[in-house]
Amino acid sequence: EVQLVESGGGLVKPGGSLRLSCAASGFTFSSYTMNWVRQAPGKGLEWVSSISSSSSYIYYADSVKGRFTISRDNAKNSLYLQMNSLRAEDTAVYYCARDIGLDVWGKGTTVTVSS
Amino acid sequence: QAGLTQPPSVSKGLRQTATLTCTGNINNVGNQGAAWLQQHQGHPPKLLSYRNNNRPSGISERFSASRSGNTASLTITGLQPEDEADYYCSAWDSSLSAVVFGGGTKLTVL
Repeated sequence: EVQLVESGGGLVKPGGSLRLSCAASGFTFSSYTMNWVRQAPGKGLEWVSSISSSSSYIYYADSVKGRFTISRDNAKNSLYLQMNSLRAEDTAVYYCARDIGLDVWGKGTTVTVSS
Repeated sequence: QAGLTQPPSVSKGLRQTATLTCTGNINNVGNQGAAWLQQHQGHPPKLLSYRNNNRPSGISERFSASRSGNTASLTITGLQPEDEADYYCSAWDSSLSAVVFGGGTKLTVL
């Protein structure tokens, strides 16, 4: 079964850091571009970042550029999002999603930035 | 980053047909088409259609997508209570080098 499982969310103070992980299974992880997408409470979907299959191409939304870093470990079938200098507006459910077509999604992990 | 434009809400009756729209530009929808996602409250999004009208396995034929110029459409026929959800369109924007989303359309089945 194709599956994505996010972890690493939690409560963090403004200015703090958090590292999210996404464990992939059931498909050849190393063949796919991967993405992080977030959804603030009661709001729509917001793309955060994408990384190509071999990590050659990395893209970020303007809202997180310079603060977040996406990475992957194809040997471990895992995707990561290092989040630094967190702000209240980063509070959201963070999803990892497969491919530019966003064809497979995890259940998400919740990040709350609050003092 | 500029997003795609979707109507905030659409209401239709049971067994009727709903058509949701998503307007972008030549760099996103007009280039490679759009994907459509369905999200029920409290659940992650689910892909309904990609690159205009390619349905993943398991997605009902009642969902069909199309594109005309820079506008993508999702048509849902024979509306059922379980179709009540939020629907998002998305596309890769070659000018922004970013994925762009629409703001979402809340579909109510009366």
